[in-house]
Formats: sequence, structure tokens, C-alpha cells
Amino acid sequence: GAVVSQHPSRVICKSGTSVKIECRSLDFQATTMFWYRQFPKQSLMLMATSNEGSKATYEQGVEKDKFLINHASLTLSTLTVTSAHPEDSSFYICSAREPRTGGYNEQFFGPGTRLTVL
Amino acid sequence: SQQGEEDPQALSIQEGENATMNCSYKTSINNLQWYRQNSGRGLVHLILIRSNEREKHSGRLRVTLDTSKKSSSLLITASRAADTASYFCATERTSYGKLTFGQGTILTVHP
Repeated sequence: GAVVSQHPSRVICKSGTSVKIECRSLDFQATTMFWYRQFPKQSLMLMATSNEGSKATYEQGVEKDKFLINHASLTLSTLTVTSAHPEDSSFYICSAREPRTGGYNEQFFGPGTRLTVL
Repeated sequence: SQQGEEDPQALSIQEGENATMNCSYKTSINNLQWYRQNSGRGLVHLILIRSNEREKHSGRLRVTLDTSKKSSSLLITASRAADTASYFCATERTSYGKLTFGQGTILTVHP
């Protein structure tokens, strides 16, 4: 299947700094990417839908000024956690949708980024 | 919002036994999918079942869907220690790709 990468896989930062996480579709073009957040031993919560060339759509309760999403190309979406605080520590996972004609558009998930804010 | 509820939350079995996990949801759906996640890793897509399908097989996996009860089950037959992971169901209400995940079942298969 198609491959989605995330970088970095793990990041530790000080409180107040901003952290950028990249999500790349390696062998297909993704018009839509999704960003999820997962707390330990919990499920994935959709944060936002990232559409190439347009503004991201955020889920209710997600601060768009806190979690900046940019989908500048068909293979790259970035999530920037601005002024990170310890409560932002989490596992962030992206997925990319491979468009197919006449069928289901399968989603492929990245390996995740573990963010720890000290 | 999380619309999927899964049970059991944790399941511990011996190698060779079958494992059954259940998922319930609240609204109408376009399809339901099952994913696997090894500890601290990304998700692997296992199987998708459309709303007009009732049962689907893939290798040792069998998925059923009952839209009248808004529920699905995932059966893993002849389990192996390598099947140890968290399993999540996810529903898609439209064809736009937005998934809502269940709480997950932690499966432990003892060798």
C-alpha cells in the first residue's frame, strides 16, 4: 500500500516553544490529509481536515490558532503546535487519503509523532 | 466526537484461540473500518465493510456489520502472539474520509 511518513518521530521541547510536524505522502498525491491526536491508552481524536490549497477545517474544541495546519502541496501537510505547553504533550498522527475513481478512497496513516513538552 | 464504543476494553487469550471484538456506533454510516495499532506506532488498515455489506473476510479476519443494531464485530481466528495490539473500529459517515474512532480493544495473545 501507499506510504505516509511523519517527521519528526519524537520531539521534546520546552514550554512556550513552537513545534512543527510534517506529514508526507511518499508515493501518491493526497488532496486531503487528516490530523489526529491520541492520549496514552486512548483512542484517536480527529483534530482537523487539511485540504490542499485551502484552509483547514477544525473539529469543535480544537483551537485553530494553537494548532496551525498548512497543506501547501499535494504531498505535504504540516501541523505547528504554537506556544506549546505540557498539556499539549501527546501522540500526533496524520493520515492521507489516496483518491481513486469509482471506489473507496483509502486512507493511509503515518507512524505518528510523540510530542513531549517540558 | 467519539461515536464508537468497543468491547471488551481488554482481551487476553492464548495462542490458537479466537478473539472477538465488538463495536457499536450511533449514527448512520457510509462504511466501517477496523484498524490495528501496535504500541506507540501508527495505524494499519485491516478491513473495510460498506453499509450495504453484512460480512467480509480477509485471511484470518472476519468482520460483520449489522446496521439495524449499529454494531460490528471483528473476529480473529487462530490467534498468534504477533496479533497482540490495540484494535480500533472507525466509522465514516460520508465519502469524504472523515473517520470517527472507537475507544479500542487491547488484545493480548499469550504464546
